[in-house]
Amino acid sequence: NAGVTQTPKFQVLKTGQSMTLQCAQDMNHEYMSWYRQDPGMGLRLIHYSVGAGITDQGEVPNGYNVSRSTTEDFPLRLLSAAPSQTSVYFCASKTDKDFAFFGQGTRLTVV
Amino acid sequence: GEDVEQSLFLSVREGDSSVINCTYTDSSSTYLYWYKQEPGAGLQLLTYIFSNMDMKQDQRLTVLLNKKDKHLSLRIADTQTGDSAIYFCAESLTGANNLFFGTGTRLTVIP
Repeated sequence: NAGVTQTPKFQVLKTGQSMTLQCAQDMNHEYMSWYRQDPGMGLRLIHYSVGAGITDQGEVPNGYNVSRSTTEDFPLRLLSAAPSQTSVYFCASKTDKDFAFFGQGTRLTVV
Repeated sequence: GEDVEQSLFLSVREGDSSVINCTYTDSSSTYLYWYKQEPGAGLQLLTYIFSNMDMKQDQRLTVLLNKKDKHLSLRIADTQTGDSAIYFCAESLTGANNLFFGTGTRLTVIP
């Protein structure tokens, strides 16, 4: 049982480049979300989805897009990377009655 | 928005007890969680408490919840060097799937 899988684990981007962070879960969870972790700020919610075809903004959505075409996958897209997006990104999934399971994280550096 | 606060650092000697504190502002919390993050890793659910409970014990871990003061604590008995990590307090609210995280407390265990 793989749980929540994030790829890549590490990424370096130049300012203005675009990329997609992948997240997949094999637990048939309806709810998926993306957080970013910055020192001294805990985890902040970027976007979330309550099911395939439905997404919504979290606390810090600017500069990020998401889509949810399947229950399993919830990719996070950076359209034009900025140094302020240097962070560690975590994907999580859960059901109503379950607890949130987190991926191992993607460490992104924008130079 | 919801506010979950923790102190940033805690140091204890090996064998002593550690107490990590958390305060929150929203009284509609359903579950309160403690997550552990080891260096370079994702978040691991340590324990949780339902908001109508006062205490939960799980081996070396004791969670205390004071609903009146909106104060949550995690006590780790006989702290070991392997307990060195960042500990996040998080809450989920009634009818919502999102988690709101504190800033995390970095626990350092001194041999």
